[in-house]
Amino acid sequence: GAGVSQSPSNKVTEKGKDVELRCDPISGHTALYWYRQRLGQGLEFLIYFQGNSAPDKSGLPSDRFSAERTGESVSTLTIQRTQQEDSAVYLCASSSRNRRYEQYFGPGTRLTVT
Amino acid sequence: QQQVKQSPQSLIVQKGGISIINCAYENTAFDYFPWYQQFPGKGPALLIAIRPDVSEKKEGRFTISFNKSAKQFSLHIMDSQPGDSATYFCAASMRTSGSRLTFGEGTQLTVNP
Repeated sequence: GAGVSQSPSNKVTEKGKDVELRCDPISGHTALYWYRQRLGQGLEFLIYFQGNSAPDKSGLPSDRFSAERTGESVSTLTIQRTQQEDSAVYLCASSSRNRRYEQYFGPGTRLTVT
Repeated sequence: QQQVKQSPQSLIVQKGGISIINCAYENTAFDYFPWYQQFPGKGPALLIAIRPDVSEKKEGRFTISFNKSAKQFSLHIMDSQPGDSATYFCAASMRTSGSRLTFGEGTQLTVNP
């Protein structure tokens, strides 16, 4: 079956512009996570959605970052007024209700802020 | 606060050798410890995982050893192959935090032919 997909695969933007990154989770997966991976580093948790519950936003680094999810499907991560330190690969993962601990990752969106 | 520390940062092994990557964690509430494999330009892929109620788990050439008292766990890759060359991440999660993953900083493994 289809895995997690993300778009765009690459995004170059100018400092100060807003960007939207999209994630399509595996069909039927109720949990969705966003992580950020800076060059040569591990992944940092950003935000977590589980069904219709309020999202866990505790990992968002600033109020310039926000995310939405429509039901149990697509999610969008928005970064407003981008800064150079926002340059990273943004990864989305999803997991099923009964095996939430097994997260499956998409290929990521590489964001470059110039 | 670095909750999961991983070493070494890079590792070079000859084909057929054993690759060993170590991780240490701080939070005793973690209840799931996966390892992920990442190739350049790809997202991490779940490789193998363990829960703290067992000391070892083996899947093919990959083995996790877990030491609860020392708060350490390690990945052993037996008979390492050039195709195993990738970046490996250990991670930890807990059910009470929605199973979100806390990652180590990664180990870049190179297996020479």
